[in-house]
Amino acid sequence: NAGVMQNPRHLVRRRGQEARLRCSPMKGHSHVYWYRQLPEEGLKFMVYLQKENIIDESGMPKERFSAEFPKEGPSILRIQQVVRGDSAAYFCASSPGTAFSGNTIYFGEGSWLTVV
Amino acid sequence: DAKTTQPNSMESNEEEPVHLPCNHSTISGTDYIHWYRQLPSQGPEYVIHGLTSNVNNRMASLAIAEDRKSSTLILHRATLRDAAVYYCILREHGDSGTYKYIFGTGTRLKVLA
Repeated sequence: NAGVMQNPRHLVRRRGQEARLRCSPMKGHSHVYWYRQLPEEGLKFMVYLQKENIIDESGMPKERFSAEFPKEGPSILRIQQVVRGDSAAYFCASSPGTAFSGNTIYFGEGSWLTVV
Repeated sequence: DAKTTQPNSMESNEEEPVHLPCNHSTISGTDYIHWYRQLPSQGPEYVIHGLTSNVNNRMASLAIAEDRKSSTLILHRATLRDAAVYYCILREHGDSGTYKYIFGTGTRLKVLA
C-alpha cells in the first residue's frame, strides 16, 4: 500500500498489558493519521500528527491511548492497560500535507490487535 | 460525522460496468472528492480523486456532477477482485485549523461470477 509501513501486523496482548503500534510514513510525508476499525465496522479517525506535534486528537479515547510522532523514527500509537474492547485493526496513513485538498493520504496494511 | 452518503451495498455481475453513487451536498468549492476501497483484511486503497472535471485512471473513472453535489465512481468491467467496500470521502475541517479525512460507512460491492 504505497509504502506506509506498519508493525507489528498482528499483536496479541493480555488484558492489562500495553500495546505499541508503529507506523513509518511514506518517504517525504510529514503527516500521519491513525484510524481504528472495530470488527464489521467502518474506519474511525483517532489522531492526526505532524513531526513532534499532535494536530488533532479529537478521535482519541480520553484515557489509556496516546500517540506521538518524534523528530526521528516512526509514529507510535500506545495503548495502556488494554481491554478486550481494544481488539481492532489500527490503520496508519500518511500524506505530504493538508494545505491542499487534493493531497491524497496513503494507508498501511494495518496492525491487528487481539486482547485475550 | 461524514459529509458523504452512499448506499450500503450494491451488486454487480462480473465483466459488467458498475456505477457507485455518492452524495455530498455540503461540499465546498475547494474540496476534492476522494474515493478509496478496502478489500477484506487490508488497508484502504486509494482509487481516484477529482475536483470538478471527470477523471480517469487505470483503476476507475470519476464522474462529478456539474453542481458538485454528487459524484459517481465507475468501474468499467467489474472483476471478482473488485469486491470491496468503497468509500467516498471529503476532507473535513478539524480542530486547530487543520483538516482530516472522515470515513462514512461506504458501499459494500458484491461481484457475482
